[in-house]
Amino acid sequence: GAGVSQSPSNKVTEKGKDVELRCDPISGHTALYWYRQRLGQGLEFLIYFQGNSAPDKSGLPSDRFSAERTGESVSTLTIQRTQQEDSAVYLCASSNGLAGRADTQYFGPGTRLTVL
Amino acid sequence: AQSVTQPDIHITVSEGASLELRCNYSYGATPYLFWYVQSPGQGLQLLLKYFSGDTLVQGIKGFEAEFKRSQSSFNLRKPSVHWSDAAEYFCAVPRTDSWGKLQFGAGTQVVVTP
Repeated sequence: GAGVSQSPSNKVTEKGKDVELRCDPISGHTALYWYRQRLGQGLEFLIYFQGNSAPDKSGLPSDRFSAERTGESVSTLTIQRTQQEDSAVYLCASSNGLAGRADTQYFGPGTRLTVL
Repeated sequence: AQSVTQPDIHITVSEGASLELRCNYSYGATPYLFWYVQSPGQGLQLLLKYFSGDTLVQGIKGFEAEFKRSQSSFNLRKPSVHWSDAAEYFCAVPRTDSWGKLQFGAGTQVVVTP
């Protein structure tokens, strides 16, 4: 079946604009994750959705960042009033949620965000 | 709290030579450990994972890793690298503060020379 898909693949925006990044997880996966990868750095956790539970937002860096998920499908990460330090690759991952901490996360190709 | 350290930021290896990437972890209990690879312009792909049983884990693309509790290590190895193995490699452990989140190391960039 299809893997995790993300759109757009690249996004260039001006400082102060809002952006929306989309993630389509693997069908049937109850868990969905967003990570941020700044140039030359490792992955930084942003937010985690698991089924109908309240999302874990503990990694969101500021209140300019928010995310939603429709049921167990599509998720949108929104960044308001973008700043240059928001420039990064935003990666989405999903997992079937059955193995807890041993779950394998399947990653999408990422959205490269550039804030001018 | 858990942590993952990848001591080598950058490794250069000749095609056909062996490769070993180091990963050291700090974890309060028996860890689950993952190795992911990120090829240029691609998302992360799972190479292998350890969560119990045999301490030598076989993965995809000819990679293996050995869990050594006494050394708090989970080093990744490949006996003979191919040019297509040029990529960035990440070691990861699940966070203990929340189910399902991964704590990643900073990554090791592997360059393969002819």
